[in-house]
Amino acid sequence: SQTIHQWPATLVQPVGSPLSLECTVEGTSNPNLYWYRQAAGRGLQLLFYSVGIGQISSEVPQNLSASRPQDRQFILSSKKLLLSDSGFYLCAGHKTGWQETQYFGPGTRLLVL
Amino acid sequence: SQKIEQNSEALNIQEGKTATLTCNYTNYSPAYLQWYRQDPGRGPVFLLLIRENEKEKRKERLKVTFDTTLKQSLFHITASQPADSATYLCALPSASKIIFGSGTRLSIRP
Repeated sequence: SQTIHQWPATLVQPVGSPLSLECTVEGTSNPNLYWYRQAAGRGLQLLFYSVGIGQISSEVPQNLSASRPQDRQFILSSKKLLLSDSGFYLCAGHKTGWQETQYFGPGTRLLVL
Repeated sequence: SQKIEQNSEALNIQEGKTATLTCNYTNYSPAYLQWYRQDPGRGPVFLLLIRENEKEKRKERLKVTFDTTLKQSLFHITASQPADSATYLCALPSASKIIFGSGTRLSIRP
C-alpha cells in the first residue's frame, strides 16, 4: 500500500533562516504530489503540486519553492523564512487507481520565531 | 474557478443523534466528491467518495448524498459518538488538483 513520509514532525526556525522539508512516497510510482499549508483552525491551502519529475505548479506566489528531483521525492524550500511561514505543512499524493483518494503524510509543524 | 463552502465552522451534537454536515460548490459539477476526516495535528484521512451518477453512498454509520442540481453534498453520521469528534473536509477534483473546503469542526458531547 502507498505511504507518504514526511519529516521532521516539528521544526522551530529563526526568521531569515533557510528551510527544507522532504516528502517521500512508498508503495507506488508516478503519483501526483502536493504541498499544503494549514494555519491553526483553518482549511488547507494548496501551495504546489507536481505531476512528474521536474514539473512544479505554483498555486500561491510567496516565499517558498518546491522541487521534485525524483519520482517519489517532493521538497519544499525557502531561502529566508518569514514569520508568516509558520503553519502545519502537509504533503499529499494522488494517483488514478488509488480510487481517486489523496493520501496525506503526518505533517510538519513549523514555527518561525 | 471552483469554490467549496462548508456550511459552518463548528457543529455541536448530542451523542446518539445524527450529525449532518453540508458542502456546497460553485461552477461545474465534478466527476466525484470526497469527504475526509482530520484530527488535531494529523493529516486528513479519506472516508468516502461519491460519483456524480450516484445519489447516495453508505459506509457503516456514514452516509453521503450528492445533488448535482443543488451543487451540494450532505455528510451524515448516525448514532454519533464522542470518538466522531473531528474536523470533516469535503473535497473535489479541479484539473490536476483536489481542492478542499475549509472544514466543519464537529463535537459530539456525551
